Amino acid sequence: DGGITQSPKYLFRKEGQNVTLSCEQNLNHDAMYWYRQDPGQGLRLIYYSQIVNDFQKGDIAEGYSVSREKKESFPLTVTSAQKNPTAFYLCASRTPGQTNTEAFFGQGTRLTVV
Amino acid sequence: EDKVVQSPLSLVVHEGDTVTLNCSYEVTNFRSLLWYKQEKKAPTFLFMLTSSGIEKKSGRLSSILDKKELSSILNITATQTGDSAIYLCAVEALGQNFVFGPGTRLSVLP
Repeated sequence: DGGITQSPKYLFRKEGQNVTLSCEQNLNHDAMYWYRQDPGQGLRLIYYSQIVNDFQKGDIAEGYSVSREKKESFPLTVTSAQKNPTAFYLCASRTPGQTNTEAFFGQGTRLTVV
Repeated sequence: EDKVVQSPLSLVVHEGDTVTLNCSYEVTNFRSLLWYKQEKKAPTFLFMLTSSGIEKKSGRLSSILDKKELSSILNITATQTGDSAIYLCAVEALGQNFVFGPGTRLSVLP
């Protein structure tokens, strides 16, 4: 089945640690996105990539990094520079272009700092 | 700065009630407005509204786009407990990424 797979579902991070969240899609979508969701704040864009080997900062990129070496994969690293990383992280993908298309989401990763 | 506002932020109803969720936006070069339902994890797509498709309906759910008022409503008739979720509104402007509203948390009591 086509879809987006995020792993792990739950992740615990100690202070000062870097952690990497995985996002893989087999929908053949060019564009991929990382969002952060906090209670009452909706989804905020962290990073996005429109094509392989290219990515751009979103609205809240500080303390995060990404790579896009393969079309199918868009991992997100939460670095120790992110001071408040506890949140729900959602990965999405879509095919951009002239035709309006919706974004498809993964099941999310809940990150907790311990 | 592009902005999407949703109201109410939280709503509690009983099964069988009809609810109306609101979404208003301020964006330049509007392209589309999307509604998503988020039950526990992944938001699932409900509707996309554009200048050429301002009204959509699927079963008990329907949505209308008012481009003049820069807003949209999502109606759910004869609500069921399975409708309990966060309903997200997102707007896309030309050449921009989606901007999401804060969501409306709907609780449907038996």
